[in-house]
Amino acid sequence: EAQVTQNPRYLITVTGKKLTVTCSQNMNHEYMSWYRQDPGLGLRQIYYSMNVEVTDKGDVPEGYKVSRKEKRNFPLILESPSPNQTSLYFCASSLGQGAQTDTQYFGPGTRLTVL
Amino acid sequence: RKEVEQDPGPFNVPEGATVAFNCTYSNSASQSFFWYRQDCRKEPKLLMSVYSSGNEDGRFTAQLNRASQYISLLIRDSKLSDSATYLCAVKNPNTNAGKSTFGDGTTLTVKP
Repeated sequence: EAQVTQNPRYLITVTGKKLTVTCSQNMNHEYMSWYRQDPGLGLRQIYYSMNVEVTDKGDVPEGYKVSRKEKRNFPLILESPSPNQTSLYFCASSLGQGAQTDTQYFGPGTRLTVL
Repeated sequence: RKEVEQDPGPFNVPEGATVAFNCTYSNSASQSFFWYRQDCRKEPKLLMSVYSSGNEDGRFTAQLNRASQYISLLIRDSKLSDSATYLCAVKNPNTNAGKSTFGDGTTLTVKP
């Protein structure tokens, strides 16, 4: 089954404790992205990647890191989480290649709470 | 001004009603347009891509107006199951293929 998986689905942590949210897709997609979704602020892109070892900042990259060492995986790293990073996080992937009808497929989401 | 703006909502309509949402975008270079549906804080799922000529999928019709820089979604004969949040998204694959900008979403509640 074609899918995007994220782990963990729920996480409660404390300020300053490094964490990683994993994202994996099995569709051989080139593009992958991370978003956060907050009430009243919508879905905002954090980072995206257009291929292995190619990443770029989205609209809200501060406090986050990403890496793309393999095509299927795109982990999101919070080196020192803070309470303002409490949010619902989505990973997404798309075929890429500049297609105009490039649909994004989203993972199920990770609900993060930073105390 | 936000790059992508949607009707504030919420929209509360009776079953069988026709409802329309608009989404305006500020970047005239935007080339790709999409409507996603999101249920109750679950992941967004593609509803329709929006083509320049407009396109229809059953009860759903999407239109693009480049001159006025907006896209629209029309839902005919609303069903209870159409209750969800509808997100519009824009991309410019010619200049920044990885970047996507979403609107804040419009919430639709269809009532019996």
